[in-house]
Order: sequence, then structure tokens, then C-alpha cells
Amino acid sequence: QKEVEQDPGPLSVPEGAIVSLNCTYSNSAFQYFMWYRQYSRKGPELLMYTYSSGNKEDGRFTAQVDKSSKYISLFIRDSQPSDSATYLCAMSVRETSGSRLTFGEGTQLTVNP
Amino acid sequence: EAQVTQNPRYLITVTGKKLTVTCSQNMNHEYMSWYRQDPGLGLRQIYYSMNVEVTDKGDVPEGYKVSRKEKRNFPLILESPSPNQTSLYFCASSPNTWGPQHFGDGTRLSIL
Repeated sequence: QKEVEQDPGPLSVPEGAIVSLNCTYSNSAFQYFMWYRQYSRKGPELLMYTYSSGNKEDGRFTAQVDKSSKYISLFIRDSQPSDSATYLCAMSVRETSGSRLTFGEGTQLTVNP
Repeated sequence: EAQVTQNPRYLITVTGKKLTVTCSQNMNHEYMSWYRQDPGLGLRQIYYSMNVEVTDKGDVPEGYKVSRKEKRNFPLILESPSPNQTSLYFCASSPNTWGPQHFGDGTRLSIL
């Protein structure tokens, strides 16, 4: 079983829709949670970074972490065609050595005009 | 501009011909890492380096080598490439091992 599970999609929505992207994880030690966006032929770029449970908002994006359920979400409000990309969740544990990011497989999102 | 630069961006080569993919970062980051990205498998870590002259294996190190002689550079070496190493490769850097990483734009390798 993978440490981080993410539905690969594809997910297709109309412009203006609210998008919900999710990841579940099995390692209760994870402390840091990230969402990356990856456009075609580009590297992943950081969208959201959070340490604790709860919500964090940045413009149209909201990241939600529920440590008790081992579940994280990314919500995109008023989705735009420019949001079409692959979204990857990532998480990590802070250790003195050997820490690393563990990634989900990524969800491919298409926002149709 | 803060960036991670990989070269080449695309390479088609043949089995057994040694190749090196270069990676350079201009953010003075301690930590650098190499990943490969494959459909259905996501991003998998190949090797990482916590500092100059300190490298360690990730999840899929077989068939790869790395070196970290300078803080800014972290080349990935395929001594004898094989077709199963055909993939999209990313270099990344960060100030520490647990926080967000900055990625390069990738190198697409095809080994025939």
C-alpha cells in the first residue's frame, strides 16, 4: 500500500466550478503538507504549504488538513482554464536526517471554457 | 531569479552510452534531490544530498550515480543506461529536507 494515495483522475470541470482535490495518507507522523501544480512540460511548482490541521487560504485556493482522518484537500474556487494542470500532494516529517517528501501520484485537472 | 536549471531538457540515446544530466541551483540551498516521474508511479526519489560531499540513496537508486562537489551543482550520472531508465527526470533543491522543494523544468530521457 502506498503511503500517500491520490486519485489520478482525469477530472474535467466547467469554468467557474469549485474543484476539490484530495489525498489520504497512512503515516501519522507526517507534519508538513504541500500542494504542487505541474503544467505540461514543466516542473512542479509549490501552491500551498501548511504545517498544522485546519484551513489555509490563498486567493482562490484553500488547503485543508485533517490529521485525525489522515486526509488533505485542495479546493479551487471559480476555476479557470489556466488552472488546467496536474496537482500533486506531498508531505513530510521533520527529522534530523533522512527527511524527504512523499508525493501522491497527481490528479490531472482540465477546466473547460 | 531563483531557479533550478537542468540540462539537457531532452535526450535520446542508446543503451550503454554513459550520460550525465546536470543540475544547478542559485538559491544557496543545502539540500538537493533527483526524482524520476513515470505514469502511474508518480515522483520517486533517486538520490539526495544534504550538503556538499554528502549523498544518499532514495527509493530507486539502482543504475544511477550522483556527486556533490559544490553546493550549487548536483549532476545525475547514468553509467550504462538501459531502456527501463527512459523517464522524465527532475532535480529539486530546498533549504532543508522536510520543507517545500524548488524543481527544475525536467529532462526527458529516452534510451533505445
